Amino acid sequence: SAVISQKPSRDICQRGTSLTIQCQVDSQVTMMFWYRQQPGQSLTLIATANQGSEATYESGFVIDKFPISRPNLTFSTLTVSNMSPEDSSIYLCSVGTGGLWGYGYTFGSGTRLTVV
Amino acid sequence: DAKTTQPPSMDCAEGRAANLPCNHSTISGNEYVYWYRQIHSQGPQYIIHGLKNNETNEMASLIITEDRKSSTLILPHATLRDTAVYYCIARRGNQGGKLIFGQGTELSVKP
Repeated sequence: SAVISQKPSRDICQRGTSLTIQCQVDSQVTMMFWYRQQPGQSLTLIATANQGSEATYESGFVIDKFPISRPNLTFSTLTVSNMSPEDSSIYLCSVGTGGLWGYGYTFGSGTRLTVV
Repeated sequence: DAKTTQPPSMDCAEGRAANLPCNHSTISGNEYVYWYRQIHSQGPQYIIHGLKNNETNEMASLIITEDRKSSTLILPHATLRDTAVYYCIARRGNQGGKLIFGQGTELSVKP
């Protein structure tokens, strides 16, 4: 399965600032996803990062707040913009690999973000 | 994707089998049942998946009822390291590629 390197692993940020999270995969993958996990909650899908085109956002998430880049098949970034304490969460990158969709989804170890 | 329902929490004694139920009464014929788990402070980890037949791998067994309306994940000899949140997900194998998580079951394995 793919190996994901996600950076930074954690950060403490001031409200009103932005943070960019990087996701690097050791192999080319078609599908990359970004999730948010608020404290004590399950994972919520933010968007699908599409290579060469704009990301596809889930309901409740917008590009202005969570801009995503996907310059190639091994790399993506998620920016959390104009942060507020409500953005304090773990952000996870995920890729789908293997011949059957859903088999072999791999997740990064996450970025633990605290906004003060 | 079909909605799944899981108990919010369960306990299991170390060394005993952990049986985690999942209800997916509206599952359609082409939807698979997937199980993932998330150990504290880590990303989710794939465990097993199945369509109709029971499945077994080195981590667990998956028992799917004949009508496919429910399933059970079995950890045959639970250890303390199996303490985690377990997610049951029903989804089509070839549509969209998204993985949507429900609330899961928090399994606590106790000595």
